[in-house]
Amino acid sequence: GESVGLHLPTLSVQEGDNSIINCAYSNSASDYFIWYKQESGKGPQFIIDIRSNMDKRQGQRVTVLLNKTVKHLSLQIAATQPGDSAVYFCAENRGYIPTFGRGTSLIVHP
Amino acid sequence: KAGVTQTPRYLIKTRGQQVTLSCSPISGHRSVSWYQQTPGQGLQFLFEYFSETQRNKGNFPGRFSGRQFSNSRSEMNVSTLELGDSALYLCASSKTGYEETQYFGPGTRLLVL
Repeated sequence: GESVGLHLPTLSVQEGDNSIINCAYSNSASDYFIWYKQESGKGPQFIIDIRSNMDKRQGQRVTVLLNKTVKHLSLQIAATQPGDSAVYFCAENRGYIPTFGRGTSLIVHP
Repeated sequence: KAGVTQTPRYLIKTRGQQVTLSCSPISGHRSVSWYQQTPGQGLQFLFEYFSETQRNKGNFPGRFSGRQFSNSRSEMNVSTLELGDSALYLCASSKTGYEETQYFGPGTRLLVL
């Protein structure tokens, strides 16, 4: 889910569906990854993280998958709810400076 | 535990003016980072402070500066404002800043006219 210019990729789902948001990261040396959720008018909020020695990590209704071979990260949201509507973006960390993806806009229709 | 707070929440300035934004990190967090968020460029790293010292800096002109106080509170300053400085400025804190989750404040929305 990388964006070009002003337009973010958009994922529209129905309430109750499962959502999958993807992210390609750039630095093969990155070893810590985070998914953030940003609602309109608010700062980014931590959802879930994963270290490079793991392939999968589960939280409450969310799962993050890491594929280091192709430098790909995905966020799965189970039983998506209208309150999940927001922009989601991943961050890759190597050292002190995280690098953020552009984000994907998730729209959940009731 | 109180979250990261930023003041003011909204600001309107004119070109050529300067502005100072403030950030109070979560208690116990010593690393404070600043970001600029715009629709065109997304989230861009400005700088990071730890124990009153600027430890890392992004690719922004010298008009953007910051400082951190002994209580970990931080300020950033933008001098000689330009129209392109209009953005959401976000502050984030973490315990050490090294490969760990950052907790963001709500941001300061700056509009330069």
